[in-house]
Amino acid sequence: EVQLVESGGGLVKPGGSLRLSCAASGFTFSNAWMSWVRQAPGKGLEWVGRIRSKTDGGTTDYAAPVKGRFTISRDDSINTLFLQMNSLKTEDTAVYYCTTDRAYFDCWGQGTLVTVSS
Amino acid sequence: DIVMTQSPDSLAVSLGERATIHCKSSQSVLYTSYNKNYLAWYQQKPGQPPKLLIYWASTRESGVPDRFSGSGSGTDFTLTISSLQAEDVAVYYCQQYYTTPFTFGPGTKVDIK
Repeated sequence: EVQLVESGGGLVKPGGSLRLSCAASGFTFSNAWMSWVRQAPGKGLEWVGRIRSKTDGGTTDYAAPVKGRFTISRDDSINTLFLQMNSLKTEDTAVYYCTTDRAYFDCWGQGTLVTVSS
Repeated sequence: DIVMTQSPDSLAVSLGERATIHCKSSQSVLYTSYNKNYLAWYQQKPGQPPKLLIYWASTRESGVPDRFSGSGSGTDFTLTISSLQAEDVAVYYCQQYYTTPFTFGPGTKVDIK
């Protein structure tokens, strides 16, 4: 069974940093493209960015609002996806989901809440 | 960026009746070389992550009941729940994956009348 478990969320001040993790199991993580999708409280879904598998280059794409501030990485040796978030803004407050990425998102974690507030 | 719109914002349908949700993209998401529409539908129940229902505009994900169906091509798409069940109360989102940034519609809330 595919499982994605996010962690690392919490309360952070504007301008601060946070690193989210997503532990994957039940599939061959190293072959998978992965994405982060976020959802602000009471709002819709917003794609944050993706990382390709190493065999497909391991490259990343980002949405404009986070480009230059957020970095997606992966450690295939421990089946874990990361989202490094720097220069956080109040508008980054959201539940952050990691997903398997076939361009559509077929498996989702339960999400981790990031709150950016002074 | 491709902008996705949905209508209606919300709808209430009697149990056993049909629910229809529309999704429109600001440009075509049909990749003509493959003759595939790069359009997916998700269901999100309160307090839960989204769940993939439909991809390639009309292919049901494994395990999704056959009362859910997707149709459409190019810029106009429809999600139909043929006979609404109580467990279908949720918000439904469409998403284009034709090009990055991937974008979602604003969602349609489905309730029981």
